Amino acid sequence: QQQVKQSPQSLIVQKGGISIINCAYENTAFDYFPWYQQFPGKGPALLIAIRPDVSEKKEGRFTISFNKSAKQFSLHIMDSQPGDSATYFCAASIRTGANNLFFGTGTRLTVIP
Amino acid sequence: NAGVTQTPKFQVLKTGQSMTLQCAQDMNHNSMYWYRQDPGMGLRLIYYSASEGTTDKGEVPNGYNVSRLNKREFSLRLESAAPSQTSVYFCASRMNPAGANVLTFGAGSRLTVL
Repeated sequence: QQQVKQSPQSLIVQKGGISIINCAYENTAFDYFPWYQQFPGKGPALLIAIRPDVSEKKEGRFTISFNKSAKQFSLHIMDSQPGDSATYFCAASIRTGANNLFFGTGTRLTVIP
Repeated sequence: NAGVTQTPKFQVLKTGQSMTLQCAQDMNHNSMYWYRQDPGMGLRLIYYSASEGTTDKGEVPNGYNVSRLNKREFSLRLESAAPSQTSVYFCASRMNPAGANVLTFGAGSRLTVL
């Protein structure tokens, strides 16, 4: 059973456009929601993260929107650039938990020049 | 500043062969993890070690064993490889098992089982 559901599986956006990736979860105990970015041939790397006590977090062109009541969160990439082309994973965990980040299935983003 | 180092980067095995994936981190992290990445499946946890001397199963532990050799090193062993274990394997580490601290990944090991 997938703890975190992610969509879409792939996304093609024109340069300068907005990329939006959505995730949903069921476990209300989750209290930490990071996004990881992975370039081909590399391991994932933390991009941005949010805690459920805020509804939005912005870092440069990247914004996480969080809807606690709907148990959904999303990544918005403003002014998308070809260098943003990568696979993006959302994840969720319990900060007091012993182990684990539960990852979504990933979204392959392609930004066309 | 190497971070998390995995070896080998690529490996081809025949069904039934055994092998060990090696992982080392130089960040003095307490917790280490092994994930596998498959198309459409995301990253799934195989085993983890919350601290030196402890290991626990993750979501998909069958067919694998691990050893936390010391604080720096965490190895993953396939005793009798199967085609279903064809995957990209990632080792990761973080300072502590709990909390909102960053998980740092290695570059991955691509394993093909024929």
